[in-house]
Amino acid sequence: EVQLLDSGGGFVQPGGSLRLSCAASGFPFDINAMSWVRQAPGKGPEWVATIGGIGSRMFYADSVKGRFTISRDNSKNTVYLQMNSLSAEDTALYYCARNRGSGSYYNYSFDTWGQGTLATVST
Amino acid sequence: QSVLTQPPSVSGAPGQRVTISCTGSSSNIGAGYDVHWYRQLPGTAPKLLIYGNTNRPSGVPDRFSGSKSGTSASLAITGLQAEDEADYHCQSYDSSLSGYVFGTGTKVTVL
Repeated sequence: EVQLLDSGGGFVQPGGSLRLSCAASGFPFDINAMSWVRQAPGKGPEWVATIGGIGSRMFYADSVKGRFTISRDNSKNTVYLQMNSLSAEDTALYYCARNRGSGSYYNYSFDTWGQGTLATVST
Repeated sequence: QSVLTQPPSVSGAPGQRVTISCTGSSSNIGAGYDVHWYRQLPGTAPKLLIYGNTNRPSGVPDRFSGSKSGTSASLAITGLQAEDEADYHCQSYDSSLSGYVFGTGTKVTVL
C-alpha cells in the first residue's frame, strides 16, 4: 500500500524554525518527485515546494523562497521541509504529496497525500 | 488570491448532474498545462479525482469526468450521491508564477 506519513509540526514563535518529515512506503521512492502542499485554516491548498526524484532540482513558491528548503534522503525514503524565519502567515496544515506525471514536470499532479502535520506560528 | 477561479458552491439533488468550472488565463490553463481535480472531505487530505484534464485514477467511478477548453476546465459529476458532498479543487501550473496553482475551491452540496 502506498503511504506517506507526515510529522514534525508544532507550535513555534515568529522568527522560529521547524523541520517537517515525510516517510514514504509502498512505492519506488527514488524515482518520484515529491512535494509539500499546505492548507491554512478555512483556505484552499497552496503548493509550497517540489524536489525531483534524484534531488537534482528543487523549486519553491515565491511566498517561501529563501526561507524554506526541501530535501530528500532516498536511503531512508524520506522527504524533508526545513522552515526558517516563520511568520503567522505560515500557520497551516502541511501535507507531503507524491507527484504523478510523465514528461514535463509542468503537468505533474499530486496523486498521494500524507495525513498532514500542523505548524502553528504564534506568540 | 488564487489565479484559478471556481464558483464557491454548487448544489444538486441526488441523481442529478452538476458541473464545476475552473477559469484561468493564458499563463496557466490557456498555455496548455494540464488541469487536475481533487476532492476533499472534511478533516481529510485532498484526493486526486481527475489527472491530465480527463483521466481518472484507478478506483474513481466514471460518474466523474473532466474537460478542458481554452482558458477553462470543468469537472462534471453525474448521478450525484450524498457521499459527493465535499470541497473540490482544480490545479494546474502557472508560467508567470513558475509553480503549481490551485483553484479557489468549490463546495458541493447534495440537497
